[in-house]
Amino acid sequence: EVQLVESGGGLVKPGGSLRLSCAASGFTFSSYSMNWVRQAPGKGLEWVASISSNSNQIFYADSVKGRLSISRDSAKKSLSLQMNSLRVEDTAVYYCARGDLFDPWGQGTLVTVSS
Amino acid sequence: AIQMTQSPSSLSASVGDRVTITCRASQDIRSDLGWYQQKPGRAPKLLIYGASSLESGVPSRFGGSGSGTDFTLTISSLQPEDFATYFCLQHYNYPRSFGQGTKLEI
Repeated sequence: EVQLVESGGGLVKPGGSLRLSCAASGFTFSSYSMNWVRQAPGKGLEWVASISSNSNQIFYADSVKGRLSISRDSAKKSLSLQMNSLRVEDTAVYYCARGDLFDPWGQGTLVTVSS
Repeated sequence: AIQMTQSPSSLSASVGDRVTITCRASQDIRSDLGWYQQKPGRAPKLLIYGASSLESGVPSRFGGSGSGTDFTLTISSLQPEDFATYFCLQHYNYPRSFGQGTKLEI
């Protein structure tokens, strides 16, 4: 069964840092691009970042460029999102999703940025 | 950046109704569009890919059409489990962009 499981969310103060992880199983992780998407409380979906299968291409939403960093470890079948200089407006559930088709998604991990 | 304009933002319907949701892209995205269903507290689920291809396991009452800039998701006969929020996503280029969502309510 293809599965993605996020972890690492929590409460952090503005300006703080957090690292999210997404553990992949049930498919050949190294063959797929991967994505992070977030959803603020009661809001729609916002694409955050994507990384190609070999990490050669990385893309970010303008809203997170320079503060969030996506990476992957194919040996560990893991996707990461390093989040620095966090802002209140970064509060959201963060999902990882597989490939260009964004299928499947993990269950999400909640990041709350608040003083 | 490509803007995805989705309509309506909310829709009231009844079991058995036929409903249509649209997404319009601000530029040609070929057929690089997916439709997703999200239920409260759950992750989105892919329904349609390539604008018109039904994802495995998705009921045949769901259908997608369109190419270029105009796309449609149709549910031919609403079932109780279909009441949810629906999003479109373009993966033609970066930045990826979602429609604003359509909340389908009874």
